[in-house]
Amino acid sequence: EVKLVETGGGLVQPGGSVRLTCAASGLVVSDNYISWVRQTPDKGLEWVSIIYYSGSTYYADSVKGRFSVSRDNSKNSVYLQMNSLRLEDTAVYYCARDRNGSLTFDYWGQGTLVSVSS
Amino acid sequence: DIQMTQSPSTLSASVGDRVTITCRASQNINNWVAWYQQKPGKAPKFLIDKASRLQSGVPSRFSGSGSGTEFILTISSLQPDDFATYYCQQYRSYSTFGQGTKVEI
Repeated sequence: EVKLVETGGGLVQPGGSVRLTCAASGLVVSDNYISWVRQTPDKGLEWVSIIYYSGSTYYADSVKGRFSVSRDNSKNSVYLQMNSLRLEDTAVYYCARDRNGSLTFDYWGQGTLVSVSS
Repeated sequence: DIQMTQSPSTLSASVGDRVTITCRASQNINNWVAWYQQKPGKAPKFLIDKASRLQSGVPSRFSGSGSGTEFILTISSLQPDDFATYYCQQYRSYSTFGQGTKVEI
């Protein structure tokens, strides 16, 4: 059974940083495409970033230069480093498995809430 | 950016009803559309890709159609478990989601 578990969310001040972790079981992250998708009541669902099995990474324009995705194969985990956080980054962040790099997502974690507020 | 516009935003229906949700793309995206179902407090569930390909385990009462700029999700006979919010997604150019359609009683 595939399971993705996100941790690391919480309250952070504008301009601050936070690192999210996506711990996977039932799949090997280095053999898969793993994305981060966020959701807010106002803007809905928004794809944020992807890391390919090859290690290539891509970002939405809204986070490019501020967020960074990486992985630790030994821990079978993917990370989202979020720097220079803005109020509009407040969202529930999901990690999700993308079967083929198409940016469609068949397995999702339960999500972790990041609140950016002073 | 490709915009996806869903209608209606909210839909009131009863068990057994046939339900259709429309999604319009701001430009031609061929059939690069997926549909998801989301219940409160839960992650989205993947229903359909390539506009009409039902994912494994998804009931056959769900179907998708369309190409180009207009796409439809149909639930042929609404069941109690189907009351949820539905999202379309284009993946022709990166990814954008529609704003969602809440199906309520």
